[in-house]
Amino acid sequence: EPEVTQTPSHQVTQMGQEVILRCVPISNHLYFYWYRQILGQKVEFLVSFYNNEISEKSEIFDDQFSVERPDGSNFTLKIRSTKLEDSAMYFCASSVQADHIDTQYFGPGTRLTVL
Amino acid sequence: AQKITQTQPGMFVQEKEAVTLDCTYDTSDPSYGLFWYKQPSSGEMIFLIYQGSYDQQNATEGRYSLNFQKARKSANLVISASQLGDSAMYFCAMRDASGNTPLVFGKGTRLSVIA
Repeated sequence: EPEVTQTPSHQVTQMGQEVILRCVPISNHLYFYWYRQILGQKVEFLVSFYNNEISEKSEIFDDQFSVERPDGSNFTLKIRSTKLEDSAMYFCASSVQADHIDTQYFGPGTRLTVL
Repeated sequence: AQKITQTQPGMFVQEKEAVTLDCTYDTSDPSYGLFWYKQPSSGEMIFLIYQGSYDQQNATEGRYSLNFQKARKSANLVISASQLGDSAMYFCAMRDASGNTPLVFGKGTRLSVIA
């Protein structure tokens, strides 16, 4: 069964460093998302991406964040200068369509720890 | 704006018994989708079940069923014949029909299945 994959599973970085989180969405999916979950809290939306551009972004997704689909399979989230409060689990998700009946399938997540 | 409320931070259930996890929602959009995800201790988000706002029947997927009461704006998850492997966090989520909208999650319920 096709699935969303994410690498790395765990990333440890120093405050101020840049990190790139990678995702490979399900191959026939067209819509891609990043969510994050701070430890013990609910999952929060960061950004959605379609047709090589951002469709929607939340207040969390400020100038230090960027997303890219560098090739036909990868979808990346870059955090330019990490802060302590960026420590969280980051989930990539994808869906075939964007409407309300379409299920988003999540990857296993990347746990980011900023020291 | 959409909102999901899960009022049970933790639940216990005996193995082989059924359990209901509560979820209420709020939206002004007449078309929306409701989703339940399971998050085991390993951290991944696993899609369980979907209910559309115009679906006449309650959704069922194996041991999972969704008790959808539209007038009460509730979408409770029922797990029948609980197994030890059902111990996890369970998140209720929704998205409305307004274009490429993200999922909005509740705070989750931690279910513990006791042998």
